[in-house]
Amino acid sequence: DQQVRQNSPSLSVQEGRISILNCDYTNSMFDYFLWYKKYPAEGPTFLISISSIKDKNEDGRFTVFLNKSAKHLSLHIVPSQPGDSAVYFCAASYTYNNNDMRFGAGTRLTVKP
Amino acid sequence: DTAVSQTPKYLVTQMGNDKSIKCEQNLGHDTMYWYKQDSKKFLKIMFSYNNKELIINETVPNRFSPKSPDKAHLNLHINSLELGDSAVYFCASSQPGSQVLDTQYFGPGTRLTVL
Repeated sequence: DQQVRQNSPSLSVQEGRISILNCDYTNSMFDYFLWYKKYPAEGPTFLISISSIKDKNEDGRFTVFLNKSAKHLSLHIVPSQPGDSAVYFCAASYTYNNNDMRFGAGTRLTVKP
Repeated sequence: DTAVSQTPKYLVTQMGNDKSIKCEQNLGHDTMYWYKQDSKKFLKIMFSYNNKELIINETVPNRFSPKSPDKAHLNLHINSLELGDSAVYFCASSQPGSQVLDTQYFGPGTRLTVL
């Protein structure tokens, strides 16, 4: 029972364009959402987060949008850079201190020069 | 300078053996975790330890046992290894209750292959 789903296993975009990574969840009790980025042979690293009281959070080139009614969030990267090529994991938590995070399967982003 | 480290990075072993994966964090965090990334790439939490107390234990076979000798270490012991245990195991740590959003910091992962 995967409560967090990333339906696109891969995404390829041109450098300078926008990358949009999508994530859906099934449990309306989730109130805190995170994106992690993972390079090969490394562990995931935190990228950006959003709490359920917001619908948008921005950090430089990265913006996360949350649509609670649709149980959907997305990560926008503008402009995309080749160094952004990695696997992006969406995660959701019931609590602020995210002891119990549920991860999606990840989306592999490739940014072509 | 590595915040969360795991050893070994790769582990190849025979079915039925007992093995351990070590994890250490130098961030001073109170909570540590073990995750399993399965063949479908899902990251699933296995254990969560806070101040040496188990607080989350997902439906993990009791062949898996976390051992925390101190706050900075959470080792994963696996007995009677099975083929299905082959996966990448990630250790992580976080500091719950901090002022900023307390994200989890992950180690580099240990790829376990059971033959």
